[in-house]
Order: sequence, then structure tokens, then C-alpha cells
Amino acid sequence: DAGVTQSPTHLIKTRGQQVTLRCSPKSGHDTVSWYQQALGQGPQFIFQYYEEEERQRGNFPDRFSGHQFPNYSSELNVNALLLGDSALYLCASSLGAGVNEQYFGPGTRLTVT
Amino acid sequence: QKEVEQDPGPLSVPEGAIVSLNCTYSNSAFQYFMWYRQYSRKGPELLMYTYSSGNKEDGRFTAQVDKSSKYISLFIRDSQPSDSATYLCAMSVDAGGTSYGKLTFGQGTILTVHP
Repeated sequence: DAGVTQSPTHLIKTRGQQVTLRCSPKSGHDTVSWYQQALGQGPQFIFQYYEEEERQRGNFPDRFSGHQFPNYSSELNVNALLLGDSALYLCASSLGAGVNEQYFGPGTRLTVT
Repeated sequence: QKEVEQDPGPLSVPEGAIVSLNCTYSNSAFQYFMWYRQYSRKGPELLMYTYSSGNKEDGRFTAQVDKSSKYISLFIRDSQPSDSATYLCAMSVDAGGTSYGKLTFGQGTILTVHP
């Protein structure tokens, strides 16, 4: 049973650049949520996608955007990168929007220099 | 004030000890409570999932929720070195409430179990 997968594992970007992170949900799941985890902190909710639409959004600026594809995979895009965007970006999948039992991927570590 | 408070530790215990991890929260709308374990450089792994008040046991792990005190706990019995990780509590509101499905996490407690 394939779990949640994310790519790339880690990457380094320069301030002002744009980045795209990818996520494939656990087999059978149709909802993807994205979280940002700064070093030493708990994950913070960015947004959730269900049926190819953004269903909920946390307190993140519009520089953070996403997309969900018909096969339920998802992308997180961040524009105009800031040093403060350096973090571990986690994707979580679940079956159905609004479901709290969420399963996380290994994350993508983003470093902005 | 953060919605969910968790003592970051670090907590160091000998193998075989009973470990108690705790979180407090301020949002009375929280109804779903979860505990995740996160190993270094890995994603969080769901350990326990409970609804409303009460206890839930799974092997060496027991989760307790006291909604009247806005306090949740995770107990680990017979702790092992392999339990060394960061433990995160997470919460969500009930169905129909705003932000249903959004998990709000504590800061995480770093636990080390030494042989």
C-alpha cells in the first residue's frame, strides 16, 4: 500500500525565485492538505484541496498557491521566495474533505538563501 | 496566546519508564485530538486519534482527553529507545464548524529514551 510521497526531498532556492513542490496521496485518498513546519515548531496549515478545489486556507499570503489534479495528486507553488519560507513542507492525505485522520508524507525541505 | 500549547522539553527518560506528554488548548470548539510521532528528518506518523473526552488505549500508548480542563495527554508505558522522537499533539473542530479538517498542532515535545 503506497503511502504519501513527495518530491523533491530537498531543494535550495534564492530569494525572489519561485518553487513548485509535488505530492501524491496515499492510495485510496482523495484529499490533500499542505503544512509548513519551521525548525523546532509544529506544522502550520497552509490549505486543503478536494475535488480539485481549494476548500480551506490557513493564514498564508497569496504567494502560496496550489493545485490538485484529477488523479488527486497536488502541487504547492510559492512565489517571490523569502528567507522566512525556509522550512519543511509537508503534504497530508485523507479520504474526504474535512477528515481529521490525515497521513503525512516525508516532506520537502526548502532552503531559501 | 497560541491555540495549542505543548512543552517542548526536551524530556529524557530511562528505558522502561512511563512517559507522560501533555498539551493544553484554548479553543473549546476542538473535538478531535491526535498524537503524532515524528522522527528526525521524517514526516509525522499518526499514533492515536480520539474524539471528545475519554481514554483510548493502543498497545503501550494511552491517550486521554479532558475537555473540561482543555487538557490532553499521551502516556507511553515501558518506553523503548525506539520511542525517541518528537511527539506532536494536533486538534481539529467538529464537523460543520469552520476549519473542519484543518489540524492545529502543538510545538512538539522532544523525547529521548536512553538504554
